[in-house]
Amino acid sequence: QKEVEQDPGPLSVPEGAIVSLNCTYSNSAFQYFMWYRQYSRKGPELLMYTYSSGNKEDGRFTAQVDKSSKYISLFIRDSQPSDSATYLCAISSGSARQLTFGSGTQLTVLP
Amino acid sequence: GAGVSQSPRYKVAKRGQDVALRCDPISGHVSLFWYQQALGQGPEFLTYFQNEAQLDKSGLPSDRFFAERPEGSVSTLKIQRTQQEDSAVYLCASSSGLTRAGANVLTFGAGSRLTVL
Repeated sequence: QKEVEQDPGPLSVPEGAIVSLNCTYSNSAFQYFMWYRQYSRKGPELLMYTYSSGNKEDGRFTAQVDKSSKYISLFIRDSQPSDSATYLCAISSGSARQLTFGSGTQLTVLP
Repeated sequence: GAGVSQSPRYKVAKRGQDVALRCDPISGHVSLFWYQQALGQGPEFLTYFQNEAQLDKSGLPSDRFFAERPEGSVSTLKIQRTQQEDSAVYLCASSSGLTRAGANVLTFGAGSRLTVL
């Protein structure tokens, strides 16, 4: 079993829809939770990070962490065609510097 | 520089050839990471440097993979006797260190896409 599981999609939604992207993890030592966005033929870029259970909002993006269920989510409101990309969850423990990534969910927002 | 720079962006090698991939991190970033990303997968950790010291190389898949960062800035990932299964995008990332909250936020380069024929 992988340490981080992510539904690979692909996911296709109409413009303006609310998108929900999810990951589960197995190691309760994980403390830091990040979402990266990766456009085709580009490197991942950080969208958001959080380290506590609950919600964190940044514009149209909301990151949600439920440590008791080992479940993290990213919600995108009023999705735009420019949001079309692969979304990667990434998790780390406090002691390990490297990030453990999910396999990514490919999102397409149709105009 | 303004971002993490990687070269070459694309590399085609014949099986058995040696390749070298270069990473120029953000100026002043002490931490540098190499990741391997296969098609349709998330990045997989290869190795980590803090300044010139290689602190973790547990992700290197075989002894054909070697990384160095001799002066604590530019890093090179070398793959000897390339095999077809080495075909992937190799991502370099750098970090200035932990945030006040203790998170390690990485900034990635665009990657070097290696194709082994």
